[in-house]
Amino acid sequence: ELKVEQNPLFLSMQEGKNYTIYCNYSTTSDRLYWYRQDPGKSLESLFVLLSNGAVKQEGRLMASLDTKARLSTLHITAAVHDLSATYFCAVDRRGSQGNLIFGKGTKLSVKP
Amino acid sequence: SAVISQKPSRDICQRGTSLTIQCQVDSQVTMMFWYRQQPGQSLTLIATANQGSEATYESGFVIDKFPISRPNLTFSTLTVSNMSPEDSSIYLCSAAGGANYEQYFGPGTRLTVT
Repeated sequence: ELKVEQNPLFLSMQEGKNYTIYCNYSTTSDRLYWYRQDPGKSLESLFVLLSNGAVKQEGRLMASLDTKARLSTLHITAAVHDLSATYFCAVDRRGSQGNLIFGKGTKLSVKP
Repeated sequence: SAVISQKPSRDICQRGTSLTIQCQVDSQVTMMFWYRQQPGQSLTLIATANQGSEATYESGFVIDKFPISRPNLTFSTLTVSNMSPEDSSIYLCSAAGGANYEQYFGPGTRLTVT
């Protein structure tokens, strides 16, 4: 059974600091997704990682994928308050696009 | 990218009644899904909505409780039947199937059962 674990589940950061969120998954998968969710809102797609060694960056966020270790990271650089949200990673069940298994989410709070 | 709309955005329903949620995608997509997000929790896949055939349900979800229709490539409905307070959740429609493997989510329907 495919399981996805994120850590930490809660993260309080100061503005300007760097931090990394980790996403481990238990079996081989084809794709890994990162989403952002603001309170009371739906999910915003951040990154889709398709292959081993994939790295994508958007602004202060950078995501990477190591399929051999079954690990993805979401790195936050010089955090700002606007990044406060819950971040989810999700993994496709192999051979089944769109059938996502989600991690529990990391609630990020960036304080001035 | 695909833009997904859902109706209603929220509803308060009485125990024992049913609610049908509609999902409309602005472009033809291969796959549509329904997810549930219980308060403060992550997302769980309910079922894959198959065009013109019965939906494929995940473990723990059954057709009698969550009947799903998908009459064409851009529209799907989810009915939450015989509701109980435990069904209070956000229900999200999702679409996928583009070449970039993106998967998009609708704004969700916030359901409260009293």
